[in-house]
Amino acid sequence: QSVLTQPPSMSGAPGQRVTISCTGSSSNIGAGYDVHWYQQLPGTAPKLLISGNDNRPSGVPDRFSGSKSGTSASLAITGLQAEDEADYYCQSYDSSLSGYVFGTGTKVTVL
Amino acid sequence: EVQLVESGGGLVQPGGSLRLSCAASGFTVSSNYMSWVRQALGKGLEWVSVIYGDGSTNYAGSVKGRFTISRDNSKNTLYLQMNSLRAEDTAVYYCARHNIGWGFDPWGQGTLVTVSS
Repeated sequence: QSVLTQPPSMSGAPGQRVTISCTGSSSNIGAGYDVHWYQQLPGTAPKLLISGNDNRPSGVPDRFSGSKSGTSASLAITGLQAEDEADYYCQSYDSSLSGYVFGTGTKVTVL
Repeated sequence: EVQLVESGGGLVQPGGSLRLSCAASGFTVSSNYMSWVRQALGKGLEWVSVIYGDGSTNYAGSVKGRFTISRDNSKNTLYLQMNSLRAEDTAVYYCARHNIGWGFDPWGQGTLVTVSS
């Protein structure tokens, strides 16, 4: 049972903007722990997309951006492309569980 | 090149044991946080266990008391000893490096563990 909640699915046409939410609580995101985002293409391992709330690792297109406020975080994809069709997960640390937690995951479909 | 390669997965009967390995190259395991993360078929990611640079460990409640994370500094390799396996432990197991303020990166390619009679 994940403690970080994401919408199960989102979709958009090529070129559109999609924003994925990640809702936590006072023991994880709200406690100030960093939020990271991952992209998982079908049949592959997850890939780090956004680190430390809003930092893009080298090689990640600037179409991807992250933000955090209160007990929630968001991942925005602007200029949606066919290759962005994947599952996306947020991740943080939870002090109540004394462990790391992942979001429920969001499947993005490019129409 | 920074890389992680898992091995050791396979088919095991309920109640059995299995040891997973994660060989690292391009960086030192003992200088980083290292975790195991699993993913059941068609399901989301679930964090399993972490070993910190100082050697301390922690586990998800679902595996505590059954799984043990360790590392061999001389081999630069991470391990996960899994005992008393249950059907619900069936998943692809990934190892990953992380640190304070930085997410899980890189990830290994994953190794499939199937618990079934």
